[in-house]
Amino acid sequence: EVHLEESGGGLVQSGGSLRLSCEASGFTFGSYWMCWVRQAPGKGLEWVANIKEDGSAKYYVDSLKGRFTISRDNSKSSLYLHMNSLRADDTALYYCVRDQGFHSFDMWGQGTMVTVSS
Amino acid sequence: QSALTQPASVSGSPGQSIAISCTGTSSDVGGYNYVSWYQQHPGKAPKLMIYEVTNRPSGVSNRFSGSKSGNTASLTISGLQAEDEADYYCSSYTSSSTLEGVFGTGTTVFVL
Repeated sequence: EVHLEESGGGLVQSGGSLRLSCEASGFTFGSYWMCWVRQAPGKGLEWVANIKEDGSAKYYVDSLKGRFTISRDNSKSSLYLHMNSLRADDTALYYCVRDQGFHSFDMWGQGTMVTVSS
Repeated sequence: QSALTQPASVSGSPGQSIAISCTGTSSDVGGYNYVSWYQQHPGKAPKLMIYEVTNRPSGVSNRFSGSKSGNTASLTISGLQAEDEADYYCSSYTSSSTLEGVFGTGTTVFVL
């Protein structure tokens, strides 16, 4: 069974850092683009970043460039999101998502909550 | 990259058909046949309902269908059921130089 499980969320002070992790199982992780999508409480979905199958290409939403870094370790079937200089408006549920191709997101984890206190 | 535009809410009675629109530009919705739709129930992760404009993943009811005309894509739900009450989001591939992903603003479907 295909499964994505996020971890690493929590409460952090403004200006702090967190590293989110996502462990994948049930499919060949290294054959897919992967991405992070976030959803602030009561708000819509926001695409955050994605990474190519072999990690050679990474893209970010403009507003987050320089603060967030996406990475992956295919030997561990794991995806990561390093978040620095966190702000209150980064408070959201962060989903790990599999991209089956051309931004068609076919598998989602249950999300990990990040709360930034000011 | 601006969010794709969706109506805030759409409602219908059980058994009726409703359509949700998703308006973008020639750089995203209008330029590619890579529009997808997601259903999200409260407290749950989104679920892929339609991909590449018209394709349904295995297990998704054939009451859900997608289409596109110009810069606007649509999701139609026929034979509306109580379980269809949820939030729906569209997404599109984009030719933006940064290859950012983009979602729609979201539509809440109410079953009266």
